[in-house]
Amino acid sequence: NAGVTQTPKFQVLKTGQSMTLQCAQDMNHEYMSWYRQDPGMGLRLIHYSVGAGITDQGEVPNGYNVSRSTTEDFPLRLLSAAPSQTSVYFCASSYSMGGGNSPLHFGNGTRLTVT
Amino acid sequence: DAKTTQPPSMDCAEGRAANLPCNHSTISGNEYVYWYRQIHSQGPQYIIHGLKNNETNEMASLIITEDRKSSTLILPHATLRDTAVYYCIVRVVWDYKLSFGAGTTVTVRA
Repeated sequence: NAGVTQTPKFQVLKTGQSMTLQCAQDMNHEYMSWYRQDPGMGLRLIHYSVGAGITDQGEVPNGYNVSRSTTEDFPLRLLSAAPSQTSVYFCASSYSMGGGNSPLHFGNGTRLTVT
Repeated sequence: DAKTTQPPSMDCAEGRAANLPCNHSTISGNEYVYWYRQIHSQGPQYIIHGLKNNETNEMASLIITEDRKSSTLILPHATLRDTAVYYCIVRVVWDYKLSFGAGTTVTVRA
């Protein structure tokens, strides 16, 4: 298994540009989520999904859209990038059964800079 | 979610056991204790989790006190590659979300 794969690894955007961060997992996990990590801070939840066709907002959803058309993929869209969205973005997944008894598996992140 | 308290940093000698404490005095009965680590610039890596009983896997051991108000992560033979930020997290049984705090920066020295 490749686990959780994120692309691209690095991205530079200009203010106002749009882009999609890709996340794919091959573990047949029903739960997927996006976090952002800013320097010196912990991870903050942006959006999550408990299965195909179901998404919900986390702590910091503003400026981001998600959709979940397949079990494997959970892309994160920035419609109009802002410098405040400069961060490292992590995608994570887990089995849905058990909730708190189901470890999250993380990708290696996308480092986004918005100028 | 219950909050956790961890020391900001600790050093450990290579080859020795590293004992990482975590206080979670307000933990409730349906909250698991999870440990993750993050090696520089990489994604968080799951280490171990438990509810009431002590747990061991190929990476580490987790010791949870009987009153569940604190726990200790034990890395039995620390190596230089174990240098990382270690996060102790409590997570409700029914909740898919994780809340990460500041963690403990562990430096393993040769």
